[in-house]
Amino acid sequence: AQSVAQPEDQVNVAEGNPLTVKCTYSVSGNPYLFWYVQYPNRGLQFLLKYITGDNLVKGSYGFEAEFNKSQTSFHLKKPSALVSDSALYFCAVRDGGNSGGYQKVTFGTGTKLQVIP
Amino acid sequence: KAGVTQTPRYLIKTRGQQVTLSCSPISGHRSVSWYQQTPGQGLQFLFEYFSETQRNKGNFPGRFSGRQFSNSRSEMNVSTLELGDSALYLCASSLGQGITGELFFGEGSRLTVL
Repeated sequence: AQSVAQPEDQVNVAEGNPLTVKCTYSVSGNPYLFWYVQYPNRGLQFLLKYITGDNLVKGSYGFEAEFNKSQTSFHLKKPSALVSDSALYFCAVRDGGNSGGYQKVTFGTGTKLQVIP
Repeated sequence: KAGVTQTPRYLIKTRGQQVTLSCSPISGHRSVSWYQQTPGQGLQFLFEYFSETQRNKGNFPGRFSGRQFSNSRSEMNVSTLELGDSALYLCASSLGQGITGELFFGEGSRLTVL
């Protein structure tokens, strides 16, 4: 079975400082990894994904994520946080391997990012 | 290009009633999946449809059902509503058969059960 863990319910960071939102995963095959952001009373918006290739993935709004196979992690990062980045962030995984059948997307529990002015 | 459209956006029902939620995917998207979002449980997968076939189902009771039409529009139904069904129901679409594509979410239907 596939799973995703976001160990921090909330991350607080000062505006202008770098931010990191953590995500670890577990799959039996190849991991297809995604980050989404949700603003209050809205649906989720896609930020970036890792399928294969370069371990550093760049996405929307200046966000990037680093895939680390040995640590089974896919942490979201941004060099300089903005107040407008304050939102709920979800990591997600889909098993692209040989586990059989068609695998659903599994989401983490979400991390609330608070950027303090 | 229009995004994923969910209707209704808000609804209030009482216990025992049933509800039908609708989702129109992005034009050309053939896969539709549904999620239940609650503060305590996060995003829980309900089911996923591709070309009118359910190709995956989450761990929800049989009161939760769905279907997809030939135009890729999807509906989900919850019968015999319980207080615990109060949640934001999110629909997402994707191009379809491949599993590397990202999901495009609607704004959600917020259901309150009294």
